[in-house]
Amino acid sequence: QVQLQQSGPGLVKPSQTLSLTCAISGDSISTQGVAWAWIRQSPLRGLEWLARTYYRSRWYSEVADPLISRLIINPPTSRSQFSLQLKSVAPEDSAIYYCAREWPQSSGRGYFDFWGPGTRVTVSS
Amino acid sequence: ENVLTQSPGTLSLSPGERATLFCRASQSLRNNDLAWYQQRPGQAPRLLIHGASRRATGIPDRFSGSGSGTDFSLSIRGLEAEDVAVYFCQQYGTSGPLSFGGGTKVEIK
Repeated sequence: QVQLQQSGPGLVKPSQTLSLTCAISGDSISTQGVAWAWIRQSPLRGLEWLARTYYRSRWYSEVADPLISRLIINPPTSRSQFSLQLKSVAPEDSAIYYCAREWPQSSGRGYFDFWGPGTRVTVSS
Repeated sequence: ENVLTQSPGTLSLSPGERATLFCRASQSLRNNDLAWYQQRPGQAPRLLIHGASRRATGIPDRFSGSGSGTDFSLSIRGLEAEDVAVYFCQQYGTSGPLSFGGGTKVEIK
């Protein structure tokens, strides 16, 4: 059974960088055919896909267009975890952040079969 | 972006009744690439259906999905107290960003 466990701060000051990590058990980050994603949920924007990383002979990452200048997905350094960095956060980045396993289909996009429990992040001074 | 509109916003039914939730896409989904999730209060979303009608592992057959193109539905047969949740649809069938619907809240009378 795949399990995802998240870690990271619950409170971040405006203009700082939010760093979140997702630890995987029951699977490997380099499993072919899957991707590992970040999604956030807020009352303002609902569920919003942020980014994904995946291994297909080398590491790839994709970031949602509105966040491409602020969100960094570094190639994983461990087979059992991946991370996200969101720079220059603002109050509108306050949300519950989830990591999830994604099954990409022919469109290159997929559905999410396992989710982490979520990290509630508040951006406030 | 393919916008998903869910209806109704809230569904209030008695135990044992059948709930039918709807999801309409602004653009047709190839391969019926649509998923449904259940989110109970305080929990992460849980995959119920993918490919419009394929139940995820461990999901009871009280849950069923149907539809194609732009119009999809999720049915919950024999509503139980544990079904109280918000239900989201999600599309992954277009080359633009994947997207989620705004959700339907299911309540028990």
